[in-house]
Amino acid sequence: RKEVEQDPGPFNVPEGATVAFNCTYSNSASQSFFWYRQDCRKEPKLLMSVYSSGNEDGRFTAQLNRASQYISLLIRDSKLSDSATYLCVVNAGGTSYGKLTFGQGTILTVHP
Amino acid sequence: EAQVTQNPRYLITVTGKKLTVTCSQNMNHEYMSWYRQDPGLGLRQIYYSMNVEVTDKGDVPEGYKVSRKEKRNFPLILESPSPNQTSLYFCASSLTLLGTQYFGPGTRLLVL
Repeated sequence: RKEVEQDPGPFNVPEGATVAFNCTYSNSASQSFFWYRQDCRKEPKLLMSVYSSGNEDGRFTAQLNRASQYISLLIRDSKLSDSATYLCVVNAGGTSYGKLTFGQGTILTVHP
Repeated sequence: EAQVTQNPRYLITVTGKKLTVTCSQNMNHEYMSWYRQDPGLGLRQIYYSMNVEVTDKGDVPEGYKVSRKEKRNFPLILESPSPNQTSLYFCASSLTLLGTQYFGPGTRLLVL
Protein backbone atom coordinates (compact mmCIF):
# COMPACT_ATOMS: atom_id res chain seq x y z
CA ARG A 1 0.00 0.00 0.00
CA LYS A 2 1.31 3.45 -0.87
CA GLU A 3 2.02 5.78 2.04
CA VAL A 4 -0.30 8.43 0.62
CA GLU A 5 -2.94 7.70 -2.02
CA GLN A 6 -5.15 10.00 -3.98
CA ASP A 7 -7.64 9.46 -6.76
CA PRO A 8 -5.75 10.98 -9.72
CA GLY A 9 -8.96 11.97 -11.49
CA PRO A 10 -9.25 13.93 -13.65
CA PHE A 11 -12.33 15.58 -12.24
CA ASN A 12 -14.16 17.69 -14.80
CA VAL A 13 -16.83 19.88 -13.25
CA PRO A 14 -18.86 22.92 -14.33
CA GLU A 15 -18.46 26.28 -12.70
CA GLY A 16 -20.42 26.50 -9.49
CA ALA A 17 -20.20 22.80 -8.74
CA THR A 18 -19.12 21.31 -5.43
CA VAL A 19 -16.30 18.78 -5.66
CA ALA A 20 -14.59 16.66 -3.02
CA PHE A 21 -11.24 14.90 -2.99
CA ASN A 22 -10.09 12.22 -0.60
CA CYS A 23 -6.62 11.16 0.37
CA THR A 24 -5.70 8.11 2.45
CA TYR A 25 -2.47 7.61 4.39
CA SER A 26 -0.96 4.46 5.82
CA ASN A 27 1.16 5.69 8.74
CA SER A 28 -0.95 5.97 11.87
CA ALA A 29 1.86 8.01 13.53
CA SER A 30 1.45 10.86 11.04
CA GLN A 31 0.61 14.14 12.71
CA SER A 32 0.74 16.86 10.09
CA PHE A 33 -1.50 17.10 7.04
CA PHE A 34 -1.72 19.62 4.25
CA TRP A 35 -3.35 20.32 0.92
CA TYR A 36 -1.23 21.99 -1.75
CA ARG A 37 -2.21 23.24 -5.15
CA GLN A 38 0.00 23.01 -8.23
CA ASP A 39 -0.65 24.76 -11.50
CA CYS A 40 0.78 23.30 -14.68
CA ARG A 41 4.60 23.41 -14.70
CA LYS A 42 4.66 25.63 -11.63
CA GLU A 43 5.77 25.11 -8.06
CA PRO A 44 3.28 23.77 -5.48
CA LYS A 45 1.69 26.30 -3.13
CA LEU A 46 0.02 25.68 0.20
CA LEU A 47 -3.75 25.70 0.00
CA MET A 48 -4.44 24.86 3.61
CA SER A 49 -3.26 22.86 6.58
CA VAL A 50 -5.65 20.23 7.91
CA TYR A 51 -6.54 20.25 11.58
CA SER A 52 -8.17 17.54 13.65
CA SER A 53 -11.33 19.54 14.15
CA GLY A 54 -11.62 20.35 10.46
CA ASN A 55 -11.09 23.81 9.06
CA GLU A 56 -12.55 26.11 6.47
CA ASP A 57 -11.09 28.87 4.35
CA GLY A 58 -13.67 30.56 2.20
CA ARG A 59 -14.94 28.02 -0.33
CA PHE A 60 -12.51 25.35 0.84
CA THR A 61 -13.09 22.92 3.71
CA ALA A 62 -10.57 20.36 4.91
CA GLN A 63 -11.36 17.40 7.16
CA LEU A 64 -9.23 14.82 8.93
CA ASN A 65 -10.45 11.39 9.95
CA ARG A 66 -7.73 9.77 12.07
CA ALA A 67 -9.66 6.57 12.71
CA SER A 68 -9.98 5.83 9.01
CA GLN A 69 -6.72 7.58 8.13
CA TYR A 70 -7.92 9.89 5.45
CA ILE A 71 -8.14 13.60 4.78
CA SER A 72 -10.56 15.33 2.48
CA LEU A 73 -10.87 18.61 0.63
CA LEU A 74 -14.21 20.09 -0.35
CA ILE A 75 -14.43 22.93 -2.85
CA ARG A 76 -17.74 24.75 -3.07
CA ASP A 77 -18.90 27.01 -5.89
CA SER A 78 -16.02 26.02 -8.18
CA LYS A 79 -14.34 28.74 -10.22
CA LEU A 80 -12.44 28.41 -13.48
CA SER A 81 -9.36 29.49 -11.54
CA ASP A 82 -9.65 26.41 -9.31
CA SER A 83 -8.43 24.26 -12.21
CA ALA A 84 -5.17 22.75 -10.98
CA THR A 85 -3.67 19.64 -9.45
CA TYR A 86 -4.39 19.20 -5.74
CA LEU A 87 -1.77 17.42 -3.66
CA CYS A 88 -2.25 15.99 -0.21
CA VAL A 89 0.82 15.91 1.99
CA VAL A 90 1.44 13.89 5.13
CA ASN A 91 4.41 13.77 7.47
CA ALA A 92 5.91 10.45 8.47
CA GLY A 93 5.55 10.80 12.22
CA GLY A 94 7.68 9.14 14.85
CA THR A 95 11.44 9.56 14.58
CA SER A 96 11.12 10.53 10.90
CA TYR A 97 8.62 13.29 11.50
CA GLY A 98 10.56 15.59 9.20
CA LYS A 99 9.86 13.38 6.21
CA LEU A 100 6.98 14.54 4.06
CA THR A 101 5.15 12.36 1.57
CA PHE A 102 3.07 13.79 -1.25
CA GLY A 103 0.18 12.06 -2.92
CA GLN A 104 0.28 11.79 -6.69
CA GLY A 105 -2.21 14.59 -7.01
CA THR A 106 -5.80 14.95 -8.18
CA ILE A 107 -6.37 16.87 -11.38
CA LEU A 108 -9.34 19.24 -11.37
CA THR A 109 -10.67 20.99 -14.45
CA VAL A 110 -13.50 23.48 -14.02
CA HIS A 111 -15.26 24.35 -17.26
CA PRO A 112 -17.72 27.14 -18.13
CA GLU B 1 10.92 39.90 -1.34
CA ALA B 2 10.65 36.61 0.56
CA GLN B 3 11.58 33.80 -1.78
CA VAL B 4 13.31 30.53 -2.50
CA THR B 5 15.70 30.62 -5.42
CA GLN B 6 17.16 27.72 -7.35
CA ASN B 7 19.95 27.69 -9.89
CA PRO B 8 20.20 26.72 -12.60
CA ARG B 9 16.60 26.62 -13.78
CA TYR B 10 17.43 24.38 -16.72
CA LEU B 11 20.37 22.04 -17.15
CA ILE B 12 21.41 19.50 -19.75
CA THR B 13 24.36 17.35 -18.80
CA VAL B 14 25.95 13.99 -19.57
CA THR B 15 26.16 10.84 -17.51
CA GLY B 16 28.82 10.95 -14.83
CA LYS B 17 29.52 14.67 -14.83
CA LYS B 18 29.15 15.98 -11.28
CA LEU B 19 26.71 18.80 -10.83
CA THR B 20 25.28 20.95 -8.06
CA VAL B 21 21.89 22.61 -7.94
CA THR B 22 21.84 25.49 -5.50
CA CYS B 23 18.92 26.46 -3.29
CA SER B 24 18.75 29.58 -1.19
CA GLN B 25 16.05 31.14 0.98
CA ASN B 26 15.96 34.59 2.56
CA MET B 27 13.28 33.94 5.17
CA ASN B 28 15.48 32.53 7.97
CA HIS B 29 13.64 29.22 7.68
CA GLU B 30 14.86 26.23 9.66
CA TYR B 31 13.39 23.48 7.49
CA MET B 32 14.54 22.90 3.93
CA SER B 33 13.87 20.05 1.57
CA TRP B 34 14.51 18.73 -1.92
CA TYR B 35 11.96 16.95 -4.10
CA ARG B 36 11.86 15.46 -7.54
CA GLN B 37 8.72 15.32 -9.60
CA ASP B 38 8.17 12.71 -12.30
CA PRO B 39 5.06 11.95 -14.38
CA GLY B 40 2.92 9.33 -12.71
CA LEU B 41 5.03 9.35 -9.56
CA GLY B 42 4.25 12.77 -8.14
CA LEU B 43 6.57 14.68 -5.85
CA ARG B 44 9.02 12.55 -3.90
CA GLN B 45 11.24 13.85 -1.14
CA ILE B 46 14.96 13.34 -1.66
CA TYR B 47 16.50 14.85 1.47
CA TYR B 48 15.40 17.25 4.14
CA SER B 49 17.12 19.35 6.77
CA MET B 50 15.62 20.38 10.10
CA ASN B 51 18.40 22.91 10.75
CA VAL B 52 22.05 23.71 10.10
CA GLU B 53 24.18 20.55 10.00
CA VAL B 54 21.07 18.37 10.42
CA THR B 55 20.04 16.44 7.33
CA ASP B 56 18.12 13.25 6.78
CA LYS B 57 16.99 11.01 3.96
CA GLY B 58 13.64 11.26 2.32
CA ASP B 59 12.03 8.62 0.14
CA VAL B 60 14.51 8.63 -2.76
CA PRO B 61 18.00 9.67 -1.55
CA GLU B 62 20.05 7.28 -3.70
CA GLY B 63 22.45 9.09 -6.02
CA TYR B 64 22.12 12.43 -4.23
CA LYS B 65 24.00 14.30 -1.54
CA VAL B 66 23.13 17.45 0.37
CA SER B 67 24.78 19.73 2.88
CA ARG B 68 23.48 22.42 5.20
CA LYS B 69 26.42 24.51 6.35
CA GLU B 70 24.44 27.72 6.52
CA LYS B 71 20.81 28.26 7.33
CA ARG B 72 19.95 29.89 4.03
CA ASN B 73 21.56 27.41 1.62
CA PHE B 74 20.79 23.78 0.88
CA PRO B 75 22.58 22.59 -2.27
CA LEU B 76 21.74 19.31 -3.98
CA ILE B 77 24.74 17.42 -5.35
CA LEU B 78 24.68 14.72 -7.98
CA GLU B 79 28.15 13.14 -7.85
CA SER B 80 27.64 10.94 -10.91
CA PRO B 81 24.36 11.75 -12.63
CA SER B 82 22.55 9.05 -14.56
CA PRO B 83 19.67 9.28 -17.07
CA ASN B 84 17.17 8.09 -14.44
CA GLN B 85 17.85 11.32 -12.56
CA THR B 86 16.31 13.30 -15.39
CA SER B 87 13.50 15.08 -13.61
CA LEU B 88 12.00 18.34 -12.35
CA TYR B 89 13.56 19.26 -9.01
CA PHE B 90 12.05 21.52 -6.38
CA CYS B 91 13.63 22.99 -3.29
CA ALA B 92 11.36 24.13 -0.46
CA SER B 93 11.70 25.81 2.92
CA SER B 94 9.47 26.50 5.89
CA LEU B 95 9.91 28.20 9.23
CA THR B 96 9.23 24.89 10.92
CA LEU B 97 8.09 21.49 9.65
CA LEU B 98 4.47 22.35 10.42
CA GLY B 99 4.63 25.68 8.67
CA THR B 100 3.86 26.61 5.09
CA GLN B 101 6.42 25.21 2.70
CA TYR B 102 7.59 27.72 0.13
CA PHE B 103 8.82 26.15 -3.06
CA GLY B 104 11.43 27.40 -5.44
CA PRO B 105 10.57 27.70 -9.15
CA GLY B 106 12.04 24.32 -10.02
CA THR B 107 15.07 23.05 -11.93
CA ARG B 108 14.58 20.94 -15.04
CA LEU B 109 17.44 18.50 -15.40
CA LEU B 110 18.15 16.32 -18.42
CA VAL B 111 20.91 13.73 -18.12
CA LEU B 112 22.01 12.27 -21.45
